[in-house]
Amino acid sequence: EPEVTQTPSHQVTQMGQEVILRCVPISNHLYFYWYRQILGQKVEFLVSFYNNEISEKSEIFDDQFSVERPDGSNFTLKIRSTKLEDSAMYFCASSELSNYGYTFGSGTRLTVV
Amino acid sequence: EDQVTQSPEALRLQEGESSSLNCSYTVSGLRGLFWYRQDPGKGPEFLFTLYSAGEEKEKERLKATLTKKESFLHITAPKPEDSATYLCAVQAGNAGNMLTFGGGTRLMVKP
Repeated sequence: EPEVTQTPSHQVTQMGQEVILRCVPISNHLYFYWYRQILGQKVEFLVSFYNNEISEKSEIFDDQFSVERPDGSNFTLKIRSTKLEDSAMYFCASSELSNYGYTFGSGTRLTVV
Repeated sequence: EDQVTQSPEALRLQEGESSSLNCSYTVSGLRGLFWYRQDPGKGPEFLFTLYSAGEEKEKERLKATLTKKESFLHITAPKPEDSATYLCAVQAGNAGNMLTFGGGTRLMVKP
């Protein structure tokens, strides 16, 4: 069964450092997303990406965040200057159509120290 | 503002004891309601999408139903491997493709 692959599974970084979280969506999917889940809290939307551009973003997704699809397979989330409150599980997801169920990756646990 | 509330927060069942999980929602123009299963330390695993009131979907011991205000996930004769957190999410007509998630119901099934 096709799956969304995320790397690394766990990243520890110092406050103020830049991090890049990587994702390989399912190959025939057209819509790509990033969500995050702070420990014990709800899954929260960050950004959606379609046709090589951001289609929508939440208030969380400020100037410190950016996304990129550098080639035909990878989809990345960059946090320029990490803060302690960025510590969370970050999930990449993709979907074939906009109102189909997403397929989520296993997540990257980001710990900012 | 779109809101999704799940109840109960936690549910303990004996193996074989059927029950239902509730997802109440307030949304402007529902495009879809989604059920996911999440195991500890893992990403949500897609279960069902429901698009309109009255719709029902089944998968093994799970059955999801939808009304104009809420959705139920019915679990029939659960097994210990059904233990997980079950998440409900809505996609609103005026909110693009984003999903708004509820807080989840943590289900524990004892043998």
